[in-house]
Amino acid sequence: GQSLEQPSEVTAVEGAIVQINCTYQTSGFYGLSWYQQHDGGAPTFLSYNALDGLEETGRFSSFLSRSDSYGYLLLQELQMKDSASYFCAVRGFNQAGTALIFGKGTTLSVSS
Amino acid sequence: SQTIHQWPATLVQPVGSPLSLECTVEGTSNPNLYWYRQAAGRGLQLLFYSVGIGQISSEVPQNLSASRPQDRQFILSSKKLLLSDSGFYLCAWEAGAGGFEAFFGQGTRLTVV
Repeated sequence: GQSLEQPSEVTAVEGAIVQINCTYQTSGFYGLSWYQQHDGGAPTFLSYNALDGLEETGRFSSFLSRSDSYGYLLLQELQMKDSASYFCAVRGFNQAGTALIFGKGTTLSVSS
Repeated sequence: SQTIHQWPATLVQPVGSPLSLECTVEGTSNPNLYWYRQAAGRGLQLLFYSVGIGQISSEVPQNLSASRPQDRQFILSSKKLLLSDSGFYLCAWEAGAGGFEAFFGQGTRLTVV
């Protein structure tokens, strides 16, 4: 089966940097993704890592280490609008193929 | 461009009543389709996954079922709702071949009373 572990909550102040870690276990690996979800809204895609290393997209970066089954999302220059839940996700084998499985999410609270 | 439609946005249903939630995708072919459920303040629980018409994988035993009568249509159903079925239901799609990004509908907030 598949499982993902990430912290339940993180707090930070505006302008700071925060790192959200994710460790995973999966049968077969097809990449680690990150999604953002604002309260009451739908999750939206942030980033995807298929290979080891750092991917940078503006203020957000994502890192993957396949040998450690570990990744993180790095958010820089935090803004109030970054307050949201962040989910890591992996693909795992199931009956039909490789479905996208999500972690329980990390709630980020940014204060002024 | 691709779009995903999910309705209704909110639903209040009595215990024991049936359920039908519909999700349609436009602008793409052969998508993988998902139904997830999210309890308040919790993670996304995968309910059903489909790679094609009539091909449904169920992840969690429950009183819910899913059907895919057309390539871009995914329906979540129940014959008799339980209180524990309350939650935020999300439909999502991704490209069937080589896709790595999932696109979500706006969700249906279901309250079973």
